[in-house]
Amino acid sequence: QLQLQESGPGLVKPSETLSLTCTVSGGSISSSSSYWGWIRQPPGKGLEWIGTIYYSGSTYYNPSLKSRVTISVDTSKNQFSLKLSSVTAADTAVYYCARLKILTGYYVDYWGQGTLVTVSS
Amino acid sequence: QSALTQPASVSGSPGQSITISCTGTSSDVGGYNYVSWYQQHPGKAPKLMIYDVSSRPSGVSNRFSGSKSGNTASLTISGLQAEDEADYYCSSYTSISTWVFGGGTKLTVL
Repeated sequence: QLQLQESGPGLVKPSETLSLTCTVSGGSISSSSSYWGWIRQPPGKGLEWIGTIYYSGSTYYNPSLKSRVTISVDTSKNQFSLKLSSVTAADTAVYYCARLKILTGYYVDYWGQGTLVTVSS
Repeated sequence: QSALTQPASVSGSPGQSITISCTGTSSDVGGYNYVSWYQQHPGKAPKLMIYDVSSRPSGVSNRFSGSKSGNTASLTISGLQAEDEADYYCSSYTSISTWVFGGGTKLTVL
C-alpha cells in the first residue's frame, strides 16, 4: 500500500520561502505510470493544484503560482519536494502531497495526510 | 487556468438521489475524459470516488456514478446516506498538462 508523508516547518515568515518534502513508501517514485504532485487548501476553502513532477524531473506548474514554485525529486531517497518563494498570508494552507496516476487515466489516487503551513511573523 | 464551476451546496434526504455539476471549458472537462471526483470529510484528506469521468475505484459504493456532456461533468449519488455528507470536488486534466479543481460543493443530508 502506497503511503505519502509530508514534512517541513509549520510556520514560515512573510517574504520567506516555504519548503516541504514528501516521502513515499510502499512503492517506487520512479514508476513510469505516476506523477507526483502538491495540492493545497487554505482554511475553509477549496483545493488548489500547485504542480506536478515526473521521476525524470519534468515539471508542470499552476500558471498562477509558476513564478514562485519549484518542485524537485530525489529518486535515491524516494522523495519529492516543494519550494514556494516570497510567501504571504494568502499562502497559509494545508499542503498535501499526492500520487497522480497517469497513462491509464489521469487522477489522484493517493494523498498524504496534509500538513498545515501558517505564514505569519 | 480558472477553477471549474460547481454549486456551492446541495442537499437531499436519506434515500434520495442528488447530482453535482462541474462546468469547465473545451481545454479541460470538454477536451478530455479525465474528470475525477473527490469526497472530503472535515479534517481529512480527499478520497477518490470517480475517475476518468465514470469509473469507480475498488471499494467505492456503486451508489456513486459519474457522467459528462460537453464541458459539464456530473456526479450522482443515489440512495443518500448520512455518511455521504461531505465536501465534493471535481478535477480535470488540462490542455497544458496540469490539473484544475472545482470550487467544491457541500453536500448536506437532511
